Amino acid sequence: NAGVIQTPRHKVTGKGQEATLWCEPISGHSAVFWYRQTIVQGLEFLTYFRNQAPIDDSGMPKERFSAQMPNQSHSTLKIQSTQPQDSAVYLCASSLVGRGTGQLYFGEGSKLTVL
Amino acid sequence: GQQVQQSPASLVLQEGENAELQCNFSSTATQLQWFYQSPGGSLVSLLSNPSGTKHTGRLTSTTVTKERRSSLHISSSQTTDSGTYLCAISSNTNKVVFGTGTRLQVLP
Repeated sequence: NAGVIQTPRHKVTGKGQEATLWCEPISGHSAVFWYRQTIVQGLEFLTYFRNQAPIDDSGMPKERFSAQMPNQSHSTLKIQSTQPQDSAVYLCASSLVGRGTGQLYFGEGSKLTVL
Repeated sequence: GQQVQQSPASLVLQEGENAELQCNFSSTATQLQWFYQSPGGSLVSLLSNPSGTKHTGRLTSTTVTKERRSSLHISSSQTTDSGTYLCAISSNTNKVVFGTGTRLQVLP
């Protein structure tokens, strides 16, 4: 079991450019979560999919952030027109059961730096 | 929404001492997990303990569900235990909320 795989591990973009981050959940896990971590804000929930369907995107900045899960083996987080305040480590997690009882497994994160 | 408070915010120990970390949450939780994060590292799940007491190695977690609190006890701390310990709560909505963590430093 390879665990949750996130790519790229590091990404540097210029202000205004687009960034796409990828997540491959653990095979068989039905729930996928995206979080953002900064020193100032800590871990912030962004969005959550269950069986590929978006369930809760209440943490997503509405205008420039979007997330998709086109199939059960990967999810993407896209940030358009990146801003310096988007700089953070973006973490993806998956769990076996999507009912608030599943244990979360995290990937190693994608560190985004916006210059 | 669910609020998760962790204490202490930071803790410094001498190697060999025990540590007691606390997590308090505002609403009913169906799942509670303790995570460890090394500096610049990813989150590693330590224990999943929505109720009762669980042990793994030198770690013991006790969760009192009706009092909305959980503790993580680290016995005989080692320098490699240094890092941030995070408590995470989820409810029936499945949204997982994290505390701000306890930063532990174990000195040799």
